[in-house]
Amino acid sequence: GAVVSQHPSRVICKSGTSVKIECRSLDFQATTMFWYRQFPKQSLMLMATSNEGSKATYEQGVEKDKFLINHASLTLSTLTVTSAHPEDSSFYICSARDLAGYSSTDTQYFGPGTRLTVL
Amino acid sequence: SQKIEQNSEALNIQEGKTATLTCNYTNYSPAYLQWYRQDPGRGPVFLLLIRENEKEKRKERLKVTFDTTLKQSLFHITASQPADSATYLCALAEDSWGKLQFGAGTQVVVTP
Repeated sequence: GAVVSQHPSRVICKSGTSVKIECRSLDFQATTMFWYRQFPKQSLMLMATSNEGSKATYEQGVEKDKFLINHASLTLSTLTVTSAHPEDSSFYICSARDLAGYSSTDTQYFGPGTRLTVL
Repeated sequence: SQKIEQNSEALNIQEGKTATLTCNYTNYSPAYLQWYRQDPGRGPVFLLLIRENEKEKRKERLKVTFDTTLKQSLFHITASQPADSATYLCALAEDSWGKLQFGAGTQVVVTP
């Protein structure tokens, strides 16, 4: 089946630094990738929709200058948390839709997540 | 946006029994509804998708029903096994473009 990877799986950084998280679709092309954030015991909250070759669409309340998203190819999207603060500590998860998925399977494949801890 | 409600209390069941989980939503009928499994510290894993014009879907020991009148989906795990212990999330898609809204999930614990 389709596989989505994320790197790193865990990262600890100091407050004020920036952290980049990569999301890759390993065996399929994804025109659309989604970035979610999940706090303990809570649901996944969609942060932004990333479309290859265009600017990301951010959900209400998500600061686009703080969470920079780049989707430069059909298999890679990156999320950069700039000037991270302790309140940004969370579990960040990406998902990708198969290029052929529109109206066929509508299935999203999720990455394993990245645990970010900001000290 | 939707308000999606799943049982917040963990569901404890004995091995071999059927686990039934509920997902209720409040506003518009979604284009489709999905169920995912999530293990601690891991990303969600897709299980089943059911569309607004479908009543029931099955996959091995899993069954999903969708009642747009009640605005409810039920998720059943039959002949449950300890390996089924996980948190199960329902997610609603407003349209076919894939933007999902998730419920908080229900934890299932299957004891031998």
